[in-house]
Amino acid sequence: GAVVSQHPSRVICKSGTSVKIECRSLDFQATTMFWYRQFPKQSLMLMATSNEGSKATYEQGVEKDKFLINHASLTLSTLTVTSAHPEDSSFYICSARARDNYGYTFGSGTRLTVV
Amino acid sequence: KNQVEQSPQSLIILEGKNCTLQCNYTVSPFSNLRWYKQDTGRGPVSLTIMTFSENTKSNGRYTATLDADTKQSSLHITASQLSDSASYICVVSPRGYKLSFGAGTTVTVRA
Repeated sequence: GAVVSQHPSRVICKSGTSVKIECRSLDFQATTMFWYRQFPKQSLMLMATSNEGSKATYEQGVEKDKFLINHASLTLSTLTVTSAHPEDSSFYICSARARDNYGYTFGSGTRLTVV
Repeated sequence: KNQVEQSPQSLIILEGKNCTLQCNYTVSPFSNLRWYKQDTGRGPVSLTIMTFSENTKSNGRYTATLDADTKQSSLHITASQLSDSASYICVVSPRGYKLSFGAGTTVTVRA
């Protein structure tokens, strides 16, 4: 079945630094990738949608300059949290969807802690 | 208001027992409904996907039902195991790609 690899699984960084999270589709071409944020005991909140080769579409309230998304290939999307602050600490999850497949496969998530 | 409501918010069951989780949605037009299992600190894993024309779908000890007329779905877990302890999320897909997520039901299975 479809597999999405997300790295790192955990990261601790100092306030003011930037962190990059990678999301790779291992056995299919992901024409669309999604980035979510999840707070404890809450549901996933969509941050942005990215299509290969084009700019990401951000949800209302999500700062595009703070959360940089790159989807340069059909198998890789990256989320960079720039100038991270403690309030950015959260669980970030990506998911990927193939062109002709209505299934969505999620990555294993990244726990970001900003100290 | 969330377009996908799940109940109960949490439940505790004894190992070996059955349980049923509920999902009511108002998303329209409707394309498909998915149930995911999310272990703590992990990403969601798909259990079932049903289109509007399907009434039931099983995946091992997990059986999902769908009533598109009443906009209700349920997930039944049979003979629960300790490894079933997780959050179960109902996700509704309208036509298009933007998913609507329920808040999840946290299931705790105790020995």
